[in-house]
Amino acid sequence: GAGVSQSPSNKVTEKGKDVELRCDPISGHTALYWYRQSLGQGLEFLIYFQGNSAPDKSGLPSDRFSAERTGGSVSTLTIQRTQQEDSAVYLCASSRITGDTSMNTEAFFGQGTRLTVV
Amino acid sequence: DAKTTQPTSMDCAEGRAANLPCNHSTISGNEYVYWYRQIHSQGPQYIIHGLKNNETNEMASLIITEDRKSSTLILPHATLRDTAVYYCIVRPSSNTGKLIFGQGTTLQVKP
Repeated sequence: GAGVSQSPSNKVTEKGKDVELRCDPISGHTALYWYRQSLGQGLEFLIYFQGNSAPDKSGLPSDRFSAERTGGSVSTLTIQRTQQEDSAVYLCASSRITGDTSMNTEAFFGQGTRLTVV
Repeated sequence: DAKTTQPTSMDCAEGRAANLPCNHSTISGNEYVYWYRQIHSQGPQYIIHGLKNNETNEMASLIITEDRKSSTLILPHATLRDTAVYYCIVRPSSNTGKLIFGQGTTLQVKP
């Protein structure tokens, strides 16, 4: 695909259930980011993967949140025992490293997964 | 800590230039200034970035002050489709640079 793909686009779940959100980054992009955006709010950083390095998990709000990135490509964000305050749009982005400066290029975002916990 | 300060909201007349300011007084020498925007119900979109020189692309121009403590994003001929939240971000040049978004500026382009 040409862009970052996220699935599902919408998810309604009952309080206390676990959910998995998927992100397919742009092929060849080594960096992958997860963000959360509550209604009317800015983007809250959750976790950042860069190649084979240990992920930066500093933004995960609680131990109910975890993320994996298998094979350096697809990533899954898992929320256990969902709460109503977890309702938000979850956005994924990816970027690549430039060969000359070893710098992350601009990040490309998916359209997000809208999670509603009822 | 987003490390940038932007006005909460701005208005601009359609067809006129939109000038969006950003303060980043604590920026360090290896940090770039990035601009993204988010149109309602969409994911953020990259606009432009720069280190110390002014930059221009098909979307916008970025003017960075000589001391690098502030910058201005310029949309030369704003259209109604430019109505969005505009985010100014500083990030290091290393390959471990996560993007931290602040609250951004809501730009309303009016007919």
